[in-house]
Amino acid sequence: KAGVTQTPRYLIKTRGQQVTLSCSPISGHRSVSWYQQTPGQGLQFLFEYFSETQRNKGNFPGRFSGRQFSNSRSEMNVSTLELGDSALYLCASSFSGGARGQETQYFGPGTRLLVL
Amino acid sequence: KNQVEQSPQSLIILEGKNCTLQCNYTVSPFSNLRWYKQDTGRGPVSLTIMTFSENTKSNGRYTATLDADTKQSSLHITASQLSDSASYICVATRMDSSYKLIFGSGTRLLVRP
Repeated sequence: KAGVTQTPRYLIKTRGQQVTLSCSPISGHRSVSWYQQTPGQGLQFLFEYFSETQRNKGNFPGRFSGRQFSNSRSEMNVSTLELGDSALYLCASSFSGGARGQETQYFGPGTRLLVL
Repeated sequence: KNQVEQSPQSLIILEGKNCTLQCNYTVSPFSNLRWYKQDTGRGPVSLTIMTFSENTKSNGRYTATLDADTKQSSLHITASQLSDSASYICVATRMDSSYKLIFGSGTRLLVRP
């Protein structure tokens, strides 16, 4: 079974631009979560999608948005990029997310975004 | 305040030795405690998940313990290997109307030959 895939793996943008990242979950998984990882803040939860609906959201500004398609693939968009958005963006999938968040999440390799 | 603190920040051990990583959490209401291993340049990989009713869980040479009363967890690595060099991240799940993962900053482990 193929793992979680993320594209692109690396991206360089300039301030003010926008970016779209893509995540394909493990086949059969319907929950997709997005995380931002930086050296200073560590891993932080962005949002979770399940069956094309945002089910959970972290404390990030509205510049960060996402969506999920009927095939469970998900995209994350960041508009008006700032230097502080430079980070590793990780996507994780699980079968259903679990009512109590107890399912194992499988992470992709991440997209490393550099904002200049 | 919901937070997870890990210690030490970094650790260097010799191949074949054992080590223990610590995690303290102040997350409420608490659902479960996870340990992840993250190799440099890769996404985290789940090692264990424990609910408040579980005291210990093993995954090969990795053994996690949980004391829900003191809100402490540990990850013990037995007979370390060079491939154990990685960051180990402790994550507490907060559960109210929905669940939220609260991440620790990780312990960076280096295993030397």
